[in-house]
Formats: sequence, C-alpha cells, structure tokens
Amino acid sequence: ETGVTQTPRHLVMGMTNKKSLKCEQHLGHNAMYWYKQSAKKPLELMFVYNFKEQTENNSVPSRFSPECPNSSHLFLHLHTLQPEDSALYLCASSQVRQESGELFFGEGSRLTVL
Amino acid sequence: TQLLEQSPQFLSIQEGENLTVYCNSSSVFSSLQWYRQEPGEGPVLLVTVVTGGEVKKLKRLTFQFGDARKDSSLHITAAQPGDTGLYLCAGEYGNNRLAFGKGNQVVVIP
Repeated sequence: ETGVTQTPRHLVMGMTNKKSLKCEQHLGHNAMYWYKQSAKKPLELMFVYNFKEQTENNSVPSRFSPECPNSSHLFLHLHTLQPEDSALYLCASSQVRQESGELFFGEGSRLTVL
Repeated sequence: TQLLEQSPQFLSIQEGENLTVYCNSSSVFSSLQWYRQEPGEGPVLLVTVVTGGEVKKLKRLTFQFGDARKDSSLHITAAQPGDTGLYLCAGEYGNNRLAFGKGNQVVVIP
C-alpha cells in the first residue's frame, strides 16, 4: 500500500475545463514533487516544494498551477489545457537530506485532454 | 542536462531466462536509483547504489554501479512473470535532483 495517494486516478477534460489533481503523503516527508510521464519520454520534473515552499518550476506553462497548503498536501490546478498535455501525472515525496533522496511515488493521475 | 540512455528499450523473454538491462550516461552521478513501474501504477524504488563499483543484490536482481559512477546495469536471474514492468534508472546530481532515463520495458512470458 502506497504512502502517497493521488486523486483522481483518471480524468478526462475538455480544453476549456478547469480541474485539479490532488496528492497526499502520509510519510512525514518534507518535499513533494509533480512529474509528467509521457510515452517514450523520460519522467519530466515539473515542480518541487520543500517545506511548503516552491523551490523549482521547470519551465512549466502557466496553464499548470501548483499549490502546496502544507507539507502533506499538493495540488495541481489545470486550466485551458492542450491535447499534448495528456499524460500520467505523478506525485512524489521525499525526505530531503544530505544523502541520496529516494522518491516515493503515488499511483498517478491519468489525464486525457480532448 | 544530464541524459541517461537505457537499453534495450524493450525486452521480451521466457520465464526462467536471465536478462540484463543497461543505464548509461556521460555524466557522473552521486548515486543512482532503480525503480520498477507496473502498468497503472507509480514507480517503486528497488535500490540505490552510491559507491563506484558497488554491487547490490535483491533476491534474483543484481544491480551494479560503474566504477566511474556514470553507468549501471540490472541483471535478473531466472526471470518470473512478476518481474514484468518498466525499469527506470535515475541519476542523482546537484541538490537531491534526479534525472530519469526512458526506461527498459521488460516482459516475462509464462
């Protein structure tokens, strides 16, 4: 059973819709991440939050808007998306420290933009 | 930009056979992680290797980190259908940042 839960698991939306993806981690970690996984591409880091503060925005279009109200919750707000934004969106958490930072992933939210 | 090339991209083998997949880069990493992702699920960490030349075993899976910490291999002995999945390598660089490869899709046929 995963310590990182994502909802919804599947989402279909039109290009003019507004929706949100939710992530919750139960591991007591201090960092949370959004990744995009598209077919035949490496995992793309989108956003990083350390202690609720956004520390990285990897040149992500403004139609993706993250929100981190506390260290356990992370949202990705979606509006006016494009069909090429269809992908699996993965949330992850980690405990940032001096040594290697292993990631704990959720099961992902499969997004289809029509 | 840290690039990790994983090969082969796709591998299909019979149950009981052995296989090796590779993760190569021209960059040096402070550590390298291997994840397995099953259909409809998120990646799950299998192992982290830190020292050049390090070998780690996880039951029938053997992971090796290259001496120069630029590459890694994963060897599976007597593969089982439960080993089917997408194997992702990720190299750590900078401040807890990971660069991922595209993955090795492994299918073990019963």
